[in-house]
Amino acid sequence: KAGVTQTPRYLIKTRGQQVTLSCSPISGHRSVSWYQQTPGQGLQFLFEYFSETQRNKGNFPGRFSGRQFSNSRSEMNVSTLELGDSALYLCASTLGVTGANVLTFGAGSRLTVL
Amino acid sequence: AQKITQTQPGMFVQEKEAVTLDCTYDTSDQSYGLFWYKQPSSGEMIFLIYQGSYDEQNATEGRYSLNFQKARKSANLVISASQLGDSAMYFCAMRTLTGANSKLTFGKGITLSVRP
Repeated sequence: KAGVTQTPRYLIKTRGQQVTLSCSPISGHRSVSWYQQTPGQGLQFLFEYFSETQRNKGNFPGRFSGRQFSNSRSEMNVSTLELGDSALYLCASTLGVTGANVLTFGAGSRLTVL
Repeated sequence: AQKITQTQPGMFVQEKEAVTLDCTYDTSDQSYGLFWYKQPSSGEMIFLIYQGSYDEQNATEGRYSLNFQKARKSANLVISASQLGDSAMYFCAMRTLTGANSKLTFGKGITLSVRP
């Protein structure tokens, strides 16, 4: 059974550019969440999608956005990149959003902003 | 609001010995879940073990066990018979089990190094 797939794994952008990251969840998983990981702030929740609807959003500026498609694949977009957006972006999927469902994470997309 | 505290500095353990990684939490929820994840240098977060707030017995998964002390709000991870491959960052996390919400709140993590 394939795990959570994130693409690209590594990317370098310059300030002001935008970036789109992709996440394919485990087959059958309908919930996808995104987290940002930096050395200073640790792991911070970005947003969560279930059945194409954003159910929960973290405390990030509007430059961070996401969406989920009918096949549960998700994308997140960061516009007008800033140096502080350099981070490992982790996607996680789970069967549902209730109960003790375990989140399964992908390997992450490591973004460097120059 | 939920909060996870992991205050240990980098931990070192000899191969084949046991090690305990500390985690304390704070929440006003009555129903919640506690998770431990391992993150090797490759970056992927690997699920290790889960404990529900209403579970009466401590969770165990192979070499991993969770020492859950609800009154003290602690959920320490015990790794028995450490292996070199256990060297990684370890994160304690929690989420509410009330309502439709899968958001995890993570601690800052603990670096574990296993010495041969």
